[in-house]
Amino acid sequence: AQSVTQPDIHITVSEGASLELRCNYSYGATPYLFWYVQSPGQGLQLLLKYFSGDTLVQGIKGFEAEFKRSQSSFNLRKPSVHWSDAAEYFCAVGAESSSNTGKLIFGQGTTLQVKP
Amino acid sequence: KAGVTQTPRYLIKTRGQQVTLSCSPISGHRSVSWYQQTPGQGLQFLFEYFSETQRNKGNFPGRFSGRQFSNSRSEMNVSTLELGDSALYLCASSSGGWDTQYFGPGTRLTVL
Repeated sequence: AQSVTQPDIHITVSEGASLELRCNYSYGATPYLFWYVQSPGQGLQLLLKYFSGDTLVQGIKGFEAEFKRSQSSFNLRKPSVHWSDAAEYFCAVGAESSSNTGKLIFGQGTTLQVKP
Repeated sequence: KAGVTQTPRYLIKTRGQQVTLSCSPISGHRSVSWYQQTPGQGLQFLFEYFSETQRNKGNFPGRFSGRQFSNSRSEMNVSTLELGDSALYLCASSSGGWDTQYFGPGTRLTVL
């Protein structure tokens, strides 16, 4: 069965420091991978996605992620964190299957706290 | 383009009642997916509609149902509410297939 694991439930970084949020997935075929961000009381905003091609993908707000098939990982990175990046981050995988249309499987989320 | 809209944003109901939530997708999108978000279970897929047909369903009891109209707007209904149904209900729209899902702000349901 497909699954997504975000090993870090909570991360605290200083403003200006670099950030890496980890995501591991379990899926037999090539997955469709996404990172979303959620601010308190809000819906999910797409940061970036990987469907195929270049394994390093760029997203909004200065985020990037790298797909590593050998490690079943899709880690999110940002070189310099801003206080406004404090939020909850979700990694998600979509199933390439006609019986699983429209279904994203989400990790449990990582809450990012930014220290001034 | 306007984003995904959900109404109402907040709801308070009591156990045993039923509730209907509405989702208007981005113009031109024909697929609408629904998710339940709770602190304990995280984000879980409820169902997906495309062109008025339910194509996929998650592992939820039959009390959870939905429908989609010809203009792609979707509703979900929860009957015989339980305390455990308290959650943020999110809908997402896409053009279908494996295009990106865009999420609405959610409806916060509280069951007392």
